[in-house]
Amino acid sequence: GAVVSQHPSWVICKSGTSVKIECRSLDFQATTMFWYRQFPKQSLMLMATSNEGSKATYEQGVEKDKFLINHASLTLSTLTVTSAHPEDSSFYICSARDRAGQETQYFGPGTRLLVL
Amino acid sequence: LAKTTQPISMDSYEGQEVNITCSHNNIATNDYITWYQQFPSQGPRFIIQGYKTKVTNEVASLFIPADRKSSTLSLPRVSLSDTAVYYCLVGDPYSSASKIIFGSGTRLSIRP
Repeated sequence: GAVVSQHPSWVICKSGTSVKIECRSLDFQATTMFWYRQFPKQSLMLMATSNEGSKATYEQGVEKDKFLINHASLTLSTLTVTSAHPEDSSFYICSARDRAGQETQYFGPGTRLLVL
Repeated sequence: LAKTTQPISMDSYEGQEVNITCSHNNIATNDYITWYQQFPSQGPRFIIQGYKTKVTNEVASLFIPADRKSSTLSLPRVSLSDTAVYYCLVGDPYSSASKIIFGSGTRLSIRP
């Protein structure tokens, strides 16, 4: 099946720094990628939808200047958490839609972010 | 976007068949029903997808009644490794505008 990778798998940073998370579709082209955030014992919360070559669409309540999304190619989307604070500590998951696929979305393994 | 309702948690034993039901009363004509499995600290994994009647693959079956307002994921002969959270989602996989919104999911615990 299709594979989506994320890098890094986990990151620890100091408060105030910026962190970039990469999401790659390894064996298919993804016109659309999605970014989710998941807190412990909770469901996934959609943060934004990223379309290749255009600006991301953010869900209500998600600060676009805080969470910068770039979808530069059909296989890569990046999420940058700017000026991270402890409350941004979470599990970030991306998913990608194969533009030709029956299956709705393929999910990455997630990135654990801990802000100290 | 169709909202889904699932039981918060379920318990069962190894070797049993487990059925998890999901309600989606506002499902649209073009929506498919998809089930994902998630283990702790991992991304969701696709289990099965269907539009109507019954779909079966190597790991599960999906039963969808004629009105499509609900669906049931059936896991045959579960094992301890099936302990996970299961999410039922609805959406149009062929629409570029479609996006998946996760509900609360069902936390399935399998006991020896």
